[in-house]
Amino acid sequence: QVQLQESGPGLVKPSETLSLTCTVSGATISSHYWSWIRQSAGKGLEWIGRIYTSGKTNYNPSLKSRVTMSGDTSKNQFSLELSSVTAADTAVYYCARDSRRSGPYYNPYWYSDLWGRGTLVTVSS
Amino acid sequence: DIQVTQSPSSLSASVGDRVTITCRASQSISSYLNWYQQTPGKAPKLLIYIASTLESGVPSRFSGSGSATDYTLTITSLQPEDFATYFCQQSYTMPYTFGQGTQLEI
Repeated sequence: QVQLQESGPGLVKPSETLSLTCTVSGATISSHYWSWIRQSAGKGLEWIGRIYTSGKTNYNPSLKSRVTMSGDTSKNQFSLELSSVTAADTAVYYCARDSRRSGPYYNPYWYSDLWGRGTLVTVSS
Repeated sequence: DIQVTQSPSSLSASVGDRVTITCRASQSISSYLNWYQQTPGKAPKLLIYIASTLESGVPSRFSGSGSATDYTLTITSLQPEDFATYFCQQSYTMPYTFGQGTQLEI
């Protein structure tokens, strides 16, 4: 049974970097695609980005200048870093496994078929 | 970004009822539409992808339909465990965007 577990500090100071890790059990990260999604009271669910099996990444343009995603196959973990945080980055952060099906015009159908329970990160001094 | 408008934002129903939740995209998304269920303290759960494909293990009382800009999630014969919040998501183009959610209450 595949499980995802987010971990990291629950409190981050403004202007600092938020760092989260997603530990995967029951599957190897190099065999799947992984994403980060966050949920805040103000903005609802927001897609942050995806990391591919190749290590390639896609980020939400609204966060792109501050986001870095990476994977560590030796630990079977992938991570999220978000720099220069403000109170607007306070949210529950979810990691998820992405899957795809063939679609028309080389545009696959993507969906997140497995999610972690999420971790609340509060940005405050 | 593609805007996804979900309605209603909340819905009251009873066990055994049939309910419908709607998502409308700001442009055609050609069935690139997913539905998720969220209950407090639990991981969000994929219900339907590609607008109408039921995820493995999801009860058949859940169904999805739609095309172009308009999509629907239908739950027939509501069960107690179905009272939750439901979200749609478009995956036609990045950044993927979500509806604001529908809270289904008893």
